[in-house]
Amino acid sequence: QKEVEQNSGPLSVPEGAIASLNCTYSDRGSQSFFWYRQYSGKSPELIMFIYSNGDKEDGRFTAQLNKASQYVSLLIRDSQPSDSATYLCAVSEGNTGKLIFGQGTTLQVKP
Amino acid sequence: DAMVIQNPRYQVTQFGKPVTLSCSQTLNHNVMYWYQQKSSQAPKLLFHYYDKDFNNEADTPDNFQSRRPNTSFCFLDIRSPGLGDAAMYLCATTTGGLETQYFGPGTRLLVL
Repeated sequence: QKEVEQNSGPLSVPEGAIASLNCTYSDRGSQSFFWYRQYSGKSPELIMFIYSNGDKEDGRFTAQLNKASQYVSLLIRDSQPSDSATYLCAVSEGNTGKLIFGQGTTLQVKP
Repeated sequence: DAMVIQNPRYQVTQFGKPVTLSCSQTLNHNVMYWYQQKSSQAPKLLFHYYDKDFNNEADTPDNFQSRRPNTSFCFLDIRSPGLGDAAMYLCATTTGGLETQYFGPGTRLLVL
């Protein structure tokens, strides 16, 4: 069964620190990788996607992908209390157009 | 502007009473998805459409059905809701890359 694994947390970091969120996946055929942020009671919001090995930066967010290790991560620099949310990692299921979601990591940024 | 609109945002129904959730998208994209998400769990794919081509996941209960009368609208029907069907129901569509999914605000279903 194809799986996406995340540490459920909570991951607690002080305001201004770097938060590092990690995700591993089992499907070697996956080509697209996504990070969603989900506030409590709200729907998931896409914040990053990455297709190629290496780093992709967007503002305070950096996604990192290592297909050989089947590992994708999200770094949040200068963490703010407003970043406190659950972060869902999602991985494409081959070329089906479907996504496999991890259970999410809860991030708490403390002032 | 919202790309995916879901109504209602909150729905309360009684055990066994049929309920319909609706979704519309403003992008005229041919791909739509329905997910179920329970507390502290990953979204679980129930159905997806590529244009009029309907696909249900192997483990989607028979109690759930979906209709897509046109490109813009999609409905999720729960024929006999049980207490275990209480969840957030999410509709999504894509833009750009096929797998890049954008979610609507969701409908939270409560079953009494």
